[in-house]
Amino acid sequence: KAGVTQTPRYLIKTRGQQVTLSCSPISGHRSVSWYQQTPGQGLQFLFEYFSETQRNKGNFPGRFSGRQFSNSRSEMNVSTLELGDSALYLCASSPLGQSTPNYEQYFGPGTRLTVT
Amino acid sequence: DAKTTQPPSMDCAEGRAANLPCNHSTISGNEYVYWYRQIHSQGPQYIIHGLKNNETNEMASLIITEDRKSSTLILPHATLRDTAVYYCIVREAGGGADGLTFGKGTHLIIQP
Repeated sequence: KAGVTQTPRYLIKTRGQQVTLSCSPISGHRSVSWYQQTPGQGLQFLFEYFSETQRNKGNFPGRFSGRQFSNSRSEMNVSTLELGDSALYLCASSPLGQSTPNYEQYFGPGTRLTVT
Repeated sequence: DAKTTQPPSMDCAEGRAANLPCNHSTISGNEYVYWYRQIHSQGPQYIIHGLKNNETNEMASLIITEDRKSSTLILPHATLRDTAVYYCIVREAGGGADGLTFGKGTHLIIQP
């Protein structure tokens, strides 16, 4: 099976702009989670979608949002970009939802966002 | 509060077994131990998980102490490609609103 794919791989934006990142999960996986990774804060959970519904959310401001489509593909959007939003954004898919014991996640390569 | 404690870095010679410790002294009865690793510039990779029994798969073995307060990930024959940051994560079954909580992990460096 193909792995998790994320587009674009690299992105440069200016403060105040908005950005949309895309994630295609492994075929058959219905759960998609998003994480932000920065050198200072490490890997932090943003949110999780399952069957087009946001089920879990991390501690991020409302500028960070997402959605999931009927084919399980997901997008995340960041509005009014700040310099601190520069990070590697990782998407992970899982065959099961978070509320199950065996929660294996399969990560994509990430989108490196630079805000100038 | 960190749920797990790992050494920040470790070295291991190529071809030898790499033993990565993790302390999770406050683990509760329904929490599983997961291990992931992240090779530079890639997304994290799932390795193995367990509840209380030792587990083995094609990548590694997981040894969990009887009191479940600590565990060891064993890479039996380390190669240079195993150089990565290894994360030990505890997560409860049946829910949790915060996804996977990654700490700082152990940077394992395999020496030729």
